Amino acid sequence: EAGVAQSPRYKIIEKRQSVAFWCNPISGHATLYWYQQILGQGPKLLIQFQNNGVVDDSQLPKDRFSAERLKGVDSTLKIQPAKLEDSAVYLCASSLRGQETQYFGPGTRLLVL
Amino acid sequence: GQNIDQPTEMTATEGAIVQINCTYQTSGFNGLFWYQQHAGEAPTFLSYNVLDGLEEKGRFSSFLSRSKGYSYLLLKELQMKDSASYLCAVLNQAGTALIFGKGTTLSVSS
Repeated sequence: EAGVAQSPRYKIIEKRQSVAFWCNPISGHATLYWYQQILGQGPKLLIQFQNNGVVDDSQLPKDRFSAERLKGVDSTLKIQPAKLEDSAVYLCASSLRGQETQYFGPGTRLLVL
Repeated sequence: GQNIDQPTEMTATEGAIVQINCTYQTSGFNGLFWYQQHAGEAPTFLSYNVLDGLEEKGRFSSFLSRSKGYSYLLLKELQMKDSASYLCAVLNQAGTALIFGKGTTLSVSS
């Protein structure tokens, strides 16, 4: 069974630029999550989708971050404009329905200069 | 609010046993997970506890006491490859997303 796929794996941008990350969850998983992991910290939930609907985006900085999952499968996370403090690893995870084990992708390492 | 505490760092030697503790204070509880994360890699699932008691899976065991808001991960017969960060995570009040602790970095030496 293929795992969660993410791209790109690494991205370096300058502050005020925009960036987008892509995630393809495990086939059949209805729930998709985006987490932000700052160095030395545990992952922090940014947004959770159930199929193509948003379940929880309470910790998403909506002035600069946006995410979509239009067809209930792949998802994109966008940052516009980026700030220095956005430097982190962005992890995508999926689970079958929501309360089961979450499986993580390899993450995208973002460095904002 | 939700708060999850675990030690920042631990060290141990090959072949030894180590116990990583996690305490949590949450407004609701829907289960506790342990994940392993090697440097530069994604977290991988180790264990899940929703009822009190010990869950054993090979060299790894996890214990939960809901009344004490306490869990531990027990690693036996330590190997060098067990050097990693171990993340304790609680399912949020809605029982959907995970709230992670900061992780415990375990260093195993020969």
